[in-house]
Amino acid sequence: VQLVESGGGLVQPGGSLRLSCAASGFTFTSFAMNWVRQTPGRGLEWVATISGGSAFVHYADSVQGRFTISRDNAKNSLHLQMNSLRVDDTAVYYCSRSDDYLDYWGQGTLVTVSS
Amino acid sequence: IVMTQSPDSLAVSLGDRATINCKASQSVLYTSTNKNYLAWYQQKTGQPPRLLISWASTRESGVPERFSGSGSATDFTLTISGLQAEDVAVYYCQQYYSTVLTFGQGTNLEI
Repeated sequence: VQLVESGGGLVQPGGSLRLSCAASGFTFTSFAMNWVRQTPGRGLEWVATISGGSAFVHYADSVQGRFTISRDNAKNSLHLQMNSLRVDDTAVYYCSRSDDYLDYWGQGTLVTVSS
Repeated sequence: IVMTQSPDSLAVSLGDRATINCKASQSVLYTSTNKNYLAWYQQKTGQPPRLLISWASTRESGVPERFSGSGSATDFTLTISGLQAEDVAVYYCQQYYSTVLTFGQGTNLEI
């Protein structure tokens, strides 16, 4: 199993960013996928989950209405569209596979929201 | 569901036992299956979290036997018996009973 995130970077408050996660080594459609973020001050924070067939999505209250999780099962990829970014969205963003629990994690991509 | 770990930080001598506690604000035991929806993760500096234990007490493949999980409903414990230098890390508990996944604040384990 390999999960590789990309798309992080520096963005101004109010801006947008799209994160991607390339998955390999498993049957992608069989697993829900998640985004989890981490900051020194707030620890690990779950952001969003999408089911294998994209029928079910769930968001943390802190990102509801601003972030959109999606997946492309033909390309074994997971995405997180982040709009209206705020300073407190600054974090390392991990993609993670669900088998109920989070059994595999990528290395993470850093998102910095600053003017 | 709020997950609260104790202590925040812990220093243990090599070869000794480390005990980390995790308390859930409500039960994470699914009574129809008698399973606790509780996982433990280890995170070393500069690395992503690594799953150690699922279902409160099931050790993942490749995890040393010195790591064990116990507890039920709202109170859980991660025990590391015979601490090794490579066990220095931050340890997190996490519940997956709710679709809103939540983590404990982490316990920093030092030698």
